[in-house]
Amino acid sequence: GAGVSQTPSNKVTEKGKYVELRCDPISGHTALYWYRQSLGQGPEFLIYFQGTGAADDSGLPNDRFFAVRPEGSVSTLKIQRTERGDSAVYLCASSPYNGDTQYFGPGTRLTVL
Amino acid sequence: AQSVSQHNHHVILSEAASLELGCNYSYGGTVNLFWYVQYPGQHLQLLLKYFSGDPLVKGIKGFEAEFIKSKFSFNLRKPSVQWSDTAEYFCAVNSNDMRFGAGTRLTVKP
Repeated sequence: GAGVSQTPSNKVTEKGKYVELRCDPISGHTALYWYRQSLGQGPEFLIYFQGTGAADDSGLPNDRFFAVRPEGSVSTLKIQRTERGDSAVYLCASSPYNGDTQYFGPGTRLTVL
Repeated sequence: AQSVSQHNHHVILSEAASLELGCNYSYGGTVNLFWYVQYPGQHLQLLLKYFSGDPLVKGIKGFEAEFIKSKFSFNLRKPSVQWSDTAEYFCAVNSNDMRFGAGTRLTVKP
């Protein structure tokens, strides 16, 4: 079946702009996760959803970052007033339930100029 | 703070050599443990996982890992590596949310 998809695959923006990154999880997976991965590092947890609600958003670095999952399927990660330090690959993963195997998408490479 | 440590940043081996990658974590309580692999140009995929039961788990492509609770470790092993194992390997621990180690880059020389 279809895996996790993320759009866009690449996003280049200017400092101070607003960006939205989209994630389409595997159908039927109730848990959805966002991570950020910088070069040479492992994925850094940002937030996870159980259904429509954010079960744990402790990894969001500051209030410029926000994520939604209004219908319990597709999720959007929103970054306001982007900074050069936000440049990274943003990964999305989904799993049947929290704690189970997470299936990762290909990521969105965000570059803030 | 909860953390996952991978001891080796870059490992270089010749084909047929044995591999062991270290992973230690600092969580209390029940955890689920994972090893993920990222081949060049591909996304993260699961190698193997441990939830409960036999602490020696076998995964895809001949990889295995052993959970040693007393040492808070979950080391990855493979008896004989191949050139195609060249990739980045990540240990991950899930207690309430998933935390990853920094990764180990494995280069296998043909």
